[in-house]
Amino acid sequence: DVKVTQSSRYLVKRTGEKVFLECVQDMDHENMFWYRQDPGLGLRLIYFSYDVKMKEKGDIPEGYSVSREKKERFSLILESASTNQTSMYLCASSAPTSGDTQYFGPGTRLTVL
Amino acid sequence: QKEVEQNSGPLSVPEGAIASLNCTYSDRGSQSFFWYRQYSGKSPELIMSIYSNGDKEDGRFTAQLNKASQYVSLLIRDSQPSDSATYLCAVNRDNYGQNFVFGPGTRLSVLP
Repeated sequence: DVKVTQSSRYLVKRTGEKVFLECVQDMDHENMFWYRQDPGLGLRLIYFSYDVKMKEKGDIPEGYSVSREKKERFSLILESASTNQTSMYLCASSAPTSGDTQYFGPGTRLTVL
Repeated sequence: QKEVEQNSGPLSVPEGAIASLNCTYSDRGSQSFFWYRQYSGKSPELIMSIYSNGDKEDGRFTAQLNKASQYVSLLIRDSQPSDSATYLCAVNRDNYGQNFVFGPGTRLSVLP
């Protein structure tokens, strides 16, 4: 089974803090994705990566950055957290060999106070 | 125009009935289509994928794709209370096939 893990299930941070969200997958997938999910807005793509050290902006990259130093790990960084970044953050991975199916981690519910 | 549209629901069906969930998309070049189920407080999990026009069946689930009309649907036969969840439609949006856009989801409630 594909396993995607995220570093924290719940996280509470203060405005202005730098926040790191970690995602690790164990299936040697090339592709990794970060989404946020908000009521009424659905899943929105923040950043994605098709390879190590490669990153592409998604639909809502503002206020976020990412890092992919190793194939299995994709980190989302909030340089200076703001209250409007309070959300559920979901990481996913996929590979062409799995029919492009994206497999999701359990999610991190981030609250910025 | 939104790229992927779904009725937000809630869609309520009695136990044992057929639930029909619909999704329309705007990009005619899309090739891959997915249905995910998401229980409250949980992450999405894949139910079905479909790539060709027509029907694809897996147990109680049937996905239907009509590329000419740009819609994809999910039928759930013999609906169970455990099917109560939000169903997300996802469509690929680039030629490489890896980048999805998700619909807002339809909330399904199966009444015992």
